[in-house]
Amino acid sequence: TQLLEQSPQFLSIQEGENLTVYCNSSSVFSSLQWYRQEPGEGPVLLVTVVTGGEVKKLKRLTFQFGDARKDSSLHITAAQPGDTGLYLCAGWVQGAQKLVFGQGTRLTINP
Amino acid sequence: DAGITQSPRHKVTETGTPVTLRCHQTENHRYMYWYRQDPGHGLRLIHYSYGVKDTDKGEVSDGYSVSRSKTEDFLLTLESATSSQTSVYFCAISDSASGSASQYFGPGTRLTVL
Repeated sequence: TQLLEQSPQFLSIQEGENLTVYCNSSSVFSSLQWYRQEPGEGPVLLVTVVTGGEVKKLKRLTFQFGDARKDSSLHITAAQPGDTGLYLCAGWVQGAQKLVFGQGTRLTINP
Repeated sequence: DAGITQSPRHKVTETGTPVTLRCHQTENHRYMYWYRQDPGHGLRLIHYSYGVKDTDKGEVSDGYSVSRSKTEDFLLTLESATSSQTSVYFCAISDSASGSASQYFGPGTRLTVL
């Protein structure tokens, strides 16, 4: 079973600070996705990275896929209270038609 | 937002009773998935479907069965609910199973088994 480990599991910081969330595995994935989930709702896709070393930016969020396609990171610059939520990474298992999810990082941005 | 609804949204039941959760989509997507979400475990795949009457098991399928008799509906059944099946259940849909495919999630069903 492929396993995706996210760290940290909980993070509470002040508005304006920067942060990085990591998603690591010993397995190779054909792509890595990041989702954000708010209380009482389903996850919503933020980004998909496909190529090893790929970097994608979404406003203040920067996503990177590791060169070996085993890990990914999410960096938020100048965090805002609206960034608060549960962030989930998920890897597509090649040839298996399914996603494997990490445990999630619960992020709280304090005003 | 993708047209996905789940019913019921909340349910409390007793150990040993059967429970069926419904996922309905209006997007005509081929792939449908059932996940459960528990603290510290993220989302874990229970079963998925790759077409009408075509289903397969996920990583936590024991105690669950599914059916898909038409494209828009995917049912998850707990034949005899146990307390360990207390969880939040999410349905997701996708039009592809490729590495770049996006999954769209429903709002979830919170199930409590007493």
